[in-house]
Amino acid sequence: NAGVTQTPKFRILKIGQSMTLQCAQDMNHNYMYWYRQDPGMGLKLIYYSVGAGITDKGEVPNGYNVSRSTTEDFPLRLELAAPSQTSVYFCASSYSGAAFSSYNSPLHFGNGTRLTVT
Amino acid sequence: TQLLEQSPQFLSIQEGENLTVYCNSSSVFSSLQWYRQEPGEGPVLLVTVVTGGEVKKLKRLTFQFGDARKDSSLHITAAQPGDTGLYLCAGAVNNAGNMLTFGGGTRLMVKP
Repeated sequence: NAGVTQTPKFRILKIGQSMTLQCAQDMNHNYMYWYRQDPGMGLKLIYYSVGAGITDKGEVPNGYNVSRSTTEDFPLRLELAAPSQTSVYFCASSYSGAAFSSYNSPLHFGNGTRLTVT
Repeated sequence: TQLLEQSPQFLSIQEGENLTVYCNSSSVFSSLQWYRQEPGEGPVLLVTVVTGGEVKKLKRLTFQFGDARKDSSLHITAAQPGDTGLYLCAGAVNNAGNMLTFGGGTRLMVKP
């Protein structure tokens, strides 16, 4: 199994450009998440989805949009890139939500997309 | 400010030494997970603790969940260079739905 696959691995954007970070999972997980990781700040939740057609904001959603048209895919869209969005972005999936039966529901992460906005 | 505070932020030790990493909060968590992350990769789950006072062992790693479920510790015995990485704790709060909150991480380097 491939697990969680993120593309691209690296990207440099100019201020004001837009792009979509792709995320796909082949584990038939209902829950998917987007996190950003800044140096020394751990992981911050941007958006998450509990199933196809359903998305919810996390801690830091401003400047981002998501969609979940299929169980497998959860793309993250940046419409007007800003330097503050320079970060490493991680997509993750889980069988069930974080607050429920966590023994059987760890997060499976992709290998990240390193984004630089200049 | 972060909901979960990890300490120390950085730790550099010699192979064979013991160490403890702490994860503290003022919030009560329904469960707490520890992840390890290597450069260029996503975090990988090490353990989940659910019950207050719970202790779990994973080879040379011992994880403890505080009695009040507000804090946790990770103790590594006889550290090896292969233990080098970023250790992250993450907690689930009962009334926060499906959000898992991460601490800032402890970056560990074990020198041979």
